[in-house]
Amino acid sequence: AQSVAQPEDQVNVAEGNPLTVKCTYSVSGNPYLFWYVQYPNRGLQFLLKYITGDNLVKGSYGFEAEFNKSQTSFHLKKPSALVSDSALYFCAVRDPGGSGGYQKVTFGTGTKLQVIP
Amino acid sequence: ETGVTQTPRHLVMGMTNKKSLKCEQHLGHNAMYWYKQSAKKPLELMFVYSLEERVENNSVPSRFSPECPNSSHLFLHLHTLQPEDSALYLCASSQVTSGEQYFGPGTRLTVT
Repeated sequence: AQSVAQPEDQVNVAEGNPLTVKCTYSVSGNPYLFWYVQYPNRGLQFLLKYITGDNLVKGSYGFEAEFNKSQTSFHLKKPSALVSDSALYFCAVRDPGGSGGYQKVTFGTGTKLQVIP
Repeated sequence: ETGVTQTPRHLVMGMTNKKSLKCEQHLGHNAMYWYKQSAKKPLELMFVYSLEERVENNSVPSRFSPECPNSSHLFLHLHTLQPEDSALYLCASSQVTSGEQYFGPGTRLTVT
């Protein structure tokens, strides 16, 4: 069974500092990995994904994520945090198996990012 | 309209009412999803339609009934709900092959 863990409920970072939001995963095959962001009273918004290739994936709003197969991690990073980055961040993993073309996606529990001015 | 839209955005209903949530995607996707998001709980996948067939039903109570008349529209029919069903209900869509999902803004449901 696939799973994804976000070990931190909340991350606080000062504006201008680099930020990291952690994610580890467990899946039987080669994972598809995703990051989403949710602002208050909104749906989740896709940020970036890893399928194959370069371990460093660049996404929207200056975010990037590093895939590390040996550590089964996919941490979200940004070199310089903005107050507007404050939101809830979700990591997700896609099971490469599945029937009828459908492949299940499992979401983490979310990490609240607070950027302090 | 672009992306994924959901109506209504807010809904208050009594336990004996019947109502429906509507979702429409304008992205040409072939899979659609219903999720429940409650405070301090993980995102719960409720139903998945892939190529207009229901492929996932995660032990959801029968008071929730999904309907997918075509690849662009998804409904969630609600009846005799309980107060613990109060939550944000999110619709999403994706291409079956690519995996990333695009979410609507959600319907905030309150059951009184």
